[in-house]
Parts: sequence; C-alpha cells; structure tokens
Amino acid sequence: DQQVKQNSPSLSVQEGRISILNCDYTNSMFDYFLWYKKYPAEGPTFLISISSIKDKNEDGRFTVFLNKSAKHLSLHIVPSQPGDSAVYFCAASLYGNSGNTPLVFGKGTRLSVIA
Amino acid sequence: ETGVTQSPTHLIKTRGQQVTLRCSSQSGHNTVSWYQQALGQGPQFIFQYYREEENGRGNFPPRFSGLQFPNYSSELNVNALELDDSALYLCASSLVRAGGRETQYFGPGTRLLVL
Repeated sequence: DQQVKQNSPSLSVQEGRISILNCDYTNSMFDYFLWYKKYPAEGPTFLISISSIKDKNEDGRFTVFLNKSAKHLSLHIVPSQPGDSAVYFCAASLYGNSGNTPLVFGKGTRLSVIA
Repeated sequence: ETGVTQSPTHLIKTRGQQVTLRCSSQSGHNTVSWYQQALGQGPQFIFQYYREEENGRGNFPPRFSGLQFPNYSSELNVNALELDDSALYLCASSLVRAGGRETQYFGPGTRLLVL
C-alpha cells in the first residue's frame, strides 16, 4: 500500500526547458510535503517543501505546487540545467503530538536534462 | 553539504552476522531518523530517536535496533543479517521544535551487502 506515488520512473528534458515532476498521495492527513534530489553515491538533498496551508512555494528555479483536493503535488524546474540530472523523491509527513511523523517517500523519478 | 556524516561508506557481511552503522548528526539537531533504501525504491523509515529515546518505529523487525547518544550521534544495529537486508542505509537529522515543521537532512548513506 503505497501512500506516496511517483508514477513516472523517468523524465527527459532539454536544457533550458521546464521540467515537471509529479507526485500523488493517498493519505489526506499528510500536511507537509518535501522534495529531495539524489545523486548516485550521495544521500538525498533537501530541495523545497510546502505546508498544506499553501498551494505554492518558490525557491529560485524550483517551484512546488500543491493541489489538496486532488492529493497531487508537482515540482517545476525552470530553466532546467544539466546539473539537475538526478533522481527526485517526493516525501510527505503529518504533524503529530511529538513533532513531524516520519517521512513517507515515493519511489523517485529519474530526471535527465539533455544539453 | 548537510553536516550529517555516516560510517562506514560500504560494508560486506555474510548472512547471520551482525552489523553496526554509525551516524553523526548536524550540529544542534536533536532528532535522528534511520531509513533503508532498497534498489529502485524510495527510502523506508526504520525508526527515529529524539533526545536518546525511540520516538517511532516503522515496519521493521526487532533485530533492527538503535541508540542515540548525548552528543546526538546515533547507531543502527542489525542482528542475524538476511540477504534482503542488502540496501543503502540513510540517517537523517533534524531539529524538532514545538509547533514547528522540521526538515530532515540526510547523510551520504552506508551501502550494506549481505552475501
């Protein structure tokens, strides 16, 4: 039973264009969402997060959109650069009595940005 | 660079053996979480320690155990290793504050191979 789903295992985008990575979740109690980027032989690196009280959060080239009614979030990267080539993980948690609950991850989407 | 370090980077063990993995948290962080990432999957939560006490556990058997020390460094111990324990083990540290959203920062991981 996968609570966080990334249905596209891979995505290929031309340098300079927009990359859109999608994520769906099933647990409506989740209220905090994060995107991590992972290079081979490294741990996941935090990119950007969004709380359920917002529907958009921007940080430089990265924007995350949250659609609570559809239980869907997406990460937009504009413009895409070759250095963005990595595996991107979507993760979700909910705030409990003793801090955030553990992160629930999707399986990841491998992004390739072609020069 | 997250300030979270893990040792060793790689490890080979045989079935039935025991292993200890180590993690040094980012300075000032009071919480450490451990995740297992199998090939082609997203990280899966093992357990979390907050101020030296276990603060949540995922769907892993008791042969997976942990410790958090006063300096907030941490260990993951796995007894009676099985072939399926072969994976990347990630630790993540975070600062839990009342009413706050926490972001977990990951170390580079320890790749364990069980033969």
